Amino acid sequence: GENVEQHPSTLSVQEGDSAVIKCTYSDSASNYFPWYKQELGKRPQLIIDIRSNVGEKKDQRIAVTLNKTAKHFSLHITETQPEDSAVYFCAARYSGGGADGLTFGKGTHLIIQP
Amino acid sequence: DTEVTQTPKHLVMGMTNKKSLKCEQHMGHRAMYWYKQKAKKPPELMFVYSYEKLSINESVPSRFSPECPNSSLLNLHLHALQPEDSALYLCASSQEVGGAGTEAFFGQGTRLTVV
Repeated sequence: GENVEQHPSTLSVQEGDSAVIKCTYSDSASNYFPWYKQELGKRPQLIIDIRSNVGEKKDQRIAVTLNKTAKHFSLHITETQPEDSAVYFCAARYSGGGADGLTFGKGTHLIIQP
Repeated sequence: DTEVTQTPKHLVMGMTNKKSLKCEQHMGHRAMYWYKQKAKKPPELMFVYSYEKLSINESVPSRFSPECPNSSLLNLHLHALQPEDSALYLCASSQEVGGAGTEAFFGQGTRLTVV
């Protein structure tokens, strides 16, 4: 099965600075890589995703990059704001045997210092 | 409507009780999922339904029994649970299994406490 590693587990940055979270995956058949933001007591919410035929995707202050050869992908948040504070999960979708579930990384607790 | 709705939001049950969690979506999605999330941990996949048929059971104990009555509804029947089963149970749906539209929408979850 798929294995997703995520680093760091905690990231503290000054408001206005950039934050980068990195993930690696093990299954080269994985072809879909979403990022979820989860605030305390709430559901995971998709913030950006990337498919294996694309190397980079950007949505305002958020960007994701994918390196298929190295099997890693990263989330970049620029001009961080207090409301960006949350736990961020990367995930990979494995497609072997018709399966379609997401395997999540362990999460990064992002803290934006005012 | 881009909502996945789960009921109840909170549930406390004894180890001898039988209860059910419910999930509903009206986005026309043909894949539905149950995930379990313990505190400070990522969601873990439990079951996947594709076109109303169970396609993945991630070695989940039989005290958890999923059911998909139709393409909009997903239930999780609970029986003889243990205190360590206390967690947030998340339902999700996506357009189809293995297709291009694989964005998964999560419900708000059911916070389950087993006493």
